[in-house]
Amino acid sequence: EAQVTQNPRYLITVTGKKLTVTCSQNMNHEYMSWYRQDPGLGLRQIYYSMNVEVTDKGDVPEGYKVSRKEKRNFPLILESPSPNQTSLYFCASSPYPTSGSTDTQYFGPGTRLTVL
Amino acid sequence: GENVEQHPSTLSVQEGDSAVIKCTYSDSASNYFPWYKQELGKGPQLIIDIRSNVGEKKDQRIAVTLNKTAKHFSLHITETQPEDSAVYFCAAIRTGTASKLTFGTGTRLQVTL
Repeated sequence: EAQVTQNPRYLITVTGKKLTVTCSQNMNHEYMSWYRQDPGLGLRQIYYSMNVEVTDKGDVPEGYKVSRKEKRNFPLILESPSPNQTSLYFCASSPYPTSGSTDTQYFGPGTRLTVL
Repeated sequence: GENVEQHPSTLSVQEGDSAVIKCTYSDSASNYFPWYKQELGKGPQLIIDIRSNVGEKKDQRIAVTLNKTAKHFSLHITETQPEDSAVYFCAAIRTGTASKLTFGTGTRLQVTL
């Protein structure tokens, strides 16, 4: 089954404790992206990757890191989490540039992160 | 950059009634407008989209209309059912580039019996 998977689905941590949220897709997509979803703000892009070893900042990159060593994986790293990073996080992938655009995006199930 | 506004933020309708969600965008170069449905505990899923070369698109009970001049587009759901209850997001993008999807702030639709 074609899908985007994220782990963990739920995470409660404390300020300053480094964490990684994994994202994996089995559709051989080149484009992958991370979003955070907050009430009243919709989905905002954190980082995206056009291909292996190519990453770029989205709208709200501060406090986050990503890496893209393999096509299928795009982990999100919080080196020193803070309470304002408490949010619902989504990973997405797209067949761009094969499809010609990043328009058709497939989302993972989400990771609910709480930073105390 | 692109800015997308979405209204209303919450919408309650009775089963069988119609629901309309409206979005406006700011970048006249945007030419692709998808709508996503997010059910509880799940990621957003594409339900319908429209490109700027058409004014309306329909898929069974859902339809989307686009007014390029006014820079707004709407989602119409007819004969609503309880399973339509979810959060709906509109988005806009200029295709053919690596530009990102810009999302609206979401509408929580509640279909009551």
